[in-house]
Amino acid sequence: NAGVTQTPKFQVLKTGQSMTLQCAQDMNHEYMSWYRQDPGMGLRLIHYSVGAGITDQGEVPNGYNVSRSTTEDFPLRLLSAAPSQTSVYFCASLPSRPPGELFFGEGSRLTVL
Amino acid sequence: GDSVTQMEGPVTLSEEAFLTINCTYTATGYPSLFWYVQYPGEGLQLLLKATKADDKGSNKGFEATYRKETTSFHLEKGSVQVSDSAVYFCALLNQAGTALIFGKGTTLSVSS
Repeated sequence: NAGVTQTPKFQVLKTGQSMTLQCAQDMNHEYMSWYRQDPGMGLRLIHYSVGAGITDQGEVPNGYNVSRSTTEDFPLRLLSAAPSQTSVYFCASLPSRPPGELFFGEGSRLTVL
Repeated sequence: GDSVTQMEGPVTLSEEAFLTINCTYTATGYPSLFWYVQYPGEGLQLLLKATKADDKGSNKGFEATYRKETTSFHLEKGSVQVSDSAVYFCALLNQAGTALIFGKGTTLSVSS
């Protein structure tokens, strides 16, 4: 029972490089989301998706792209990494019922030099 | 837009002390409310929830009551343990029910 799987767990990038954080869930949840966690800032919503082909912006979407081609996968793309994107990233899935119990991945720690 | 405000930490307590972590929210209508906990080195996990006004969520000795009059969902525990040391996040479900909005988190440190 895998739940939500995120890869990679750790990544170091240079400024301007691109990369994709992968996220997959096997619970057939409709909703998926990406958060970043920074000290003193809590978890901030980057993007979320309500189903295959449908995505929307959260609180801090700039510098990130997402797509949802299948129910299972929700990758997060950094097109040109910046030091301000150094953070821990969490992917989460959310069933439509019961409301609100997020299932989190283990997190991906990204450092941009 | 929707938002959650938590008391700033860190909160430092001795074992068996009483704990309160304040949480208030701003939202349209009456959103479902949650407390999540993050233990050191781990991801977040659901601690308790309340889906309507006056509901009380409880788990592992923690309680929180949904107060629509004061738009609050304060977390309480009567007697904390060292193992309760963690970061606690208050959150609300957005109006569409598609994502959670989190507060900044409150770090709790309990010493023996």
